[in-house]
Amino acid sequence: EAGVVQSPRYKIIEKKQPVAFWCNPISGHNTLYWYLQNLGQGPELLIRYENEEAVDDSQLPKDRFSAERLKGVDSTLKIQPAELGDSAVYLCASSPSYSGDQETQYFGPGTRLLVL
Amino acid sequence: GDSVTQMEGPVTLSEEAFLTINCTYTATGYPSLFWYVQYPGEGLQLLLKATKADDKGSNKGFEATYRKETTSFHLEKGSVQVSDSAVYFCALIPIPTSGTYKYIFGTGTRLKVLA
Repeated sequence: EAGVVQSPRYKIIEKKQPVAFWCNPISGHNTLYWYLQNLGQGPELLIRYENEEAVDDSQLPKDRFSAERLKGVDSTLKIQPAELGDSAVYLCASSPSYSGDQETQYFGPGTRLLVL
Repeated sequence: GDSVTQMEGPVTLSEEAFLTINCTYTATGYPSLFWYVQYPGEGLQLLLKATKADDKGSNKGFEATYRKETTSFHLEKGSVQVSDSAVYFCALIPIPTSGTYKYIFGTGTRLKVLA
């Protein structure tokens, strides 16, 4: 079974430029998460999707961050414009919706963003 | 609010040494507790979990026991290997409401095992 796929793995941009990250979850997983992981910290949830609906985006800085999951499968997270403080690793995770394993999240390798 | 506190790293051990990584939590009621591991260049992987008091999670020689009285979930392994070198994250899910399973992670503890 393929795991969670993320691209790109690394991205270097100049401040004020836009950037987008893509995530393809494990097949059949209806729940998708985007996390922000700063250096030396644990992941922090940005947004959670149930199918195509964003059910928890309370931690997403909506002035510059946006996300979509149009067909309820893959997802894109965008930053526009990027700031120096956005340099971090952006993790995508997914989890199944069937009972018994809803608590386990499966993480992708992340996209490491460096804003210069 | 709910939180997880882990011992700071890095932790450096020789191969076959005994490992303990401390984790304590603050939460209402009986949260579910987890240990995730992140190997270099990879995403987080679930290592083990426990969902109620006195449960012991185990996997790959690692163990952790859910201690409600001390609000702890310390990770242990009797004999570490070089391949165990990674960052270990303790996490909890508060009592879920409306089917929400929202992790709260600790800051991670880096383990380095020397041959």
